Amino acid sequence: DSGVTQTPKHLITATGQRVTLRCSPRSGDLSVYWYQQSLDQGLQFLIQYYNGEERAKGNILERFSAQQFPDLHSELNLSSLELGDSALYFCASSVDRGVAGELFFGEGSRLTVL
Amino acid sequence: DAKTTQPNSMESNEEEPVHLPCNHSTISGTDYIHWYRQLPSQGPEYVIHGLTSNVNNRMASLAIAEDRKSSTLILHRATLRDAAVYYCILMNYGGSQGNLIFGKGTKLSVKP
Repeated sequence: DSGVTQTPKHLITATGQRVTLRCSPRSGDLSVYWYQQSLDQGLQFLIQYYNGEERAKGNILERFSAQQFPDLHSELNLSSLELGDSALYFCASSVDRGVAGELFFGEGSRLTVL
Repeated sequence: DAKTTQPNSMESNEEEPVHLPCNHSTISGTDYIHWYRQLPSQGPEYVIHGLTSNVNNRMASLAIAEDRKSSTLILHRATLRDAAVYYCILMNYGGSQGNLIFGKGTKLSVKP
């Protein structure tokens, strides 16, 4: 158990819909990262927040957005869903802004878009 | 970001040592070498990281070449639970992008 909690574990929805994925980082961790893992693209970094502020952006689509709340939990919002958005979405957390140390990953949220 | 090259797959027998290689010929002086692994149906899991010197922890050892252009993750006695995809990643500590760029990794199979 990494200490990172993601909900829901599984989600099935239709094209055009909007979903929200939630992540609770490990206690004391200030950084939250979101990753997408699909069969053809592997693990892709989406976005990072540090103590409520956006710190880095990766391959995140404009239809996707995220935020980190004062209690440090984070939400990833996916809208106008397409079939290609079906993937595993992982949240990770770390203590520091940088990544010299360890990232702790949650078990992921599996999104299926039909 | 500097790139890494790993074999697509490797096989090992249970209870034997495993040496997983990684080439990173364009590594910069401030790049840390990280290793993560992903077991089936789980999120990635940190294994080890280092900068210049060899590193040991309870999971594995990391051997870094003197010129830092390659490194080897060593599992001293492979178990069935070590079957996973192993990712070698370079990360520049303190950069504005605190993210890990995962490549395709090495899929390790462990035979009983």
